[in-house]
Amino acid sequence: AQSVTQPDIHITVSEGASLELRCNYSYGATPYLFWYVQSPGQGLQLLLKYFSGDTLVQGIKGFEAEFKRSQSSFNLRKPSVHWSDAAEYFCAVALTGTASKLTFGTGTRLQVTL
Amino acid sequence: NAGVTQTPKFQVLKTGQSMTLQCAQDMNHEYMSWYRQDPGMGLRLIHYSVGAGITDQGEVPNGYNVSRSTTEDFPLRLLSAAPSQTSVYFCASRLAGQGVYEQYFGPGTRLTVT
Repeated sequence: AQSVTQPDIHITVSEGASLELRCNYSYGATPYLFWYVQSPGQGLQLLLKYFSGDTLVQGIKGFEAEFKRSQSSFNLRKPSVHWSDAAEYFCAVALTGTASKLTFGTGTRLQVTL
Repeated sequence: NAGVTQTPKFQVLKTGQSMTLQCAQDMNHEYMSWYRQDPGMGLRLIHYSVGAGITDQGEVPNGYNVSRSTTEDFPLRLLSAAPSQTSVYFCASRLAGQGVYEQYFGPGTRLTVT
């Protein structure tokens, strides 16, 4: 079955430290890949996306993600975390040709300590 | 543009009551979707629509109905509310077209069924 796994439920980092959030997917082909962020009480905002081409993609708010086909991974990174980055982060995938079907991971909640 | 709007923001229902969650978008997006978000489970697709007059089931459609009479609106109906439908509901939309999978999310409706 197709699935998206975010193995870390909760991560705490200090402000200014680097961040990496993990995402693995299980699909027969390379899907389209996304990272969304959800601040408390808010909807989801797209951070970045990968369709094809350069495997290192840049997003908003200083985030980047790297697609590694051999590991079926799409990990999200940020070199220096700000307190305002505290939120929940969701990895999502969509198969080529599917309509609106995004499949989400279960999310990683990021806490930033000052 | 207002983007994707949802009403109401909060709702409390008694078991067995029915109600409609409203979703509208002003971006002329062909595709619209409804997701529910439950703790530890990420977002799961309930129903989606690829255009006016066309709807289909997602991962968790039981207990919900949808219709799409206009491009702008995509209401979600709960026929007979159950406590298991307590959740946060998100509506999303996107353009049609090959390779366009970025979805825009509304702010959500928090529903409690007692």
